[in-house]
Amino acid sequence: DQQVKQNSPSLSVQEGRISILNCDYTNSMFDYFLWYKKYPAEGPTFLISISSIKDKNEDGRFTVFLNKSAKHLSLHIVPSQPGDSAVYFCALDGGSQGNLIFGKGTKLSVKP
Amino acid sequence: DVKVTQSSRYLVKRTGEKVFLECVQDMDHENMFWYRQDPGLGLRLIYFSYDVKMKEKGDIPEGYSVSREKKERFSLILESASTNQTSMYLCASSLGQSYNEQFFGPGTRLTVL
Repeated sequence: DQQVKQNSPSLSVQEGRISILNCDYTNSMFDYFLWYKKYPAEGPTFLISISSIKDKNEDGRFTVFLNKSAKHLSLHIVPSQPGDSAVYFCALDGGSQGNLIFGKGTKLSVKP
Repeated sequence: DVKVTQSSRYLVKRTGEKVFLECVQDMDHENMFWYRQDPGLGLRLIYFSYDVKMKEKGDIPEGYSVSREKKERFSLILESASTNQTSMYLCASSLGQSYNEQFFGPGTRLTVL
């Protein structure tokens, strides 16, 4: 049974518009949430994180929102750029010595 | 800057061969991880290690083993490679305590013929 779901396998957005990537989880024990970005033939790179005591964290064009009651996490990219085209994974940390549980990823395509 | 390196970017092996994938990190991280990534399946944890000579099974350990003789090095071993082990293999490391991001290597694309 999946603990983390990224229900959209792909998303296409026009350059300059907002990209919204979503992630749902089932277990309220998760208390630290991360987003990773992955280009083809490269390893994932850490993008942004949020702890459960916050509901928003912002870093430049990237903002992560956490809705604990809905067990929902989202990543907003504004404005989207063609270089943002990649697969985005959400990852959840339940506090078990650093193990992360990853979603299946959403492939974002930003069209010029 | 954390650096995680993997011994090969691309590897082609034959069914039944023993395969070694090596991973080295230079930031004195306690934790190291091996994942495989397949289309539509995301990142799946194979094995992880919290300390030298320690190892724990992840979600899909069957057909794999690991070795951690030194803190900076974590090896993944395919005892007898099979075609269903064709995949992208990713190594990661992190600090020992929780709530720290994992840093990934560039990956090894393994093809088993």
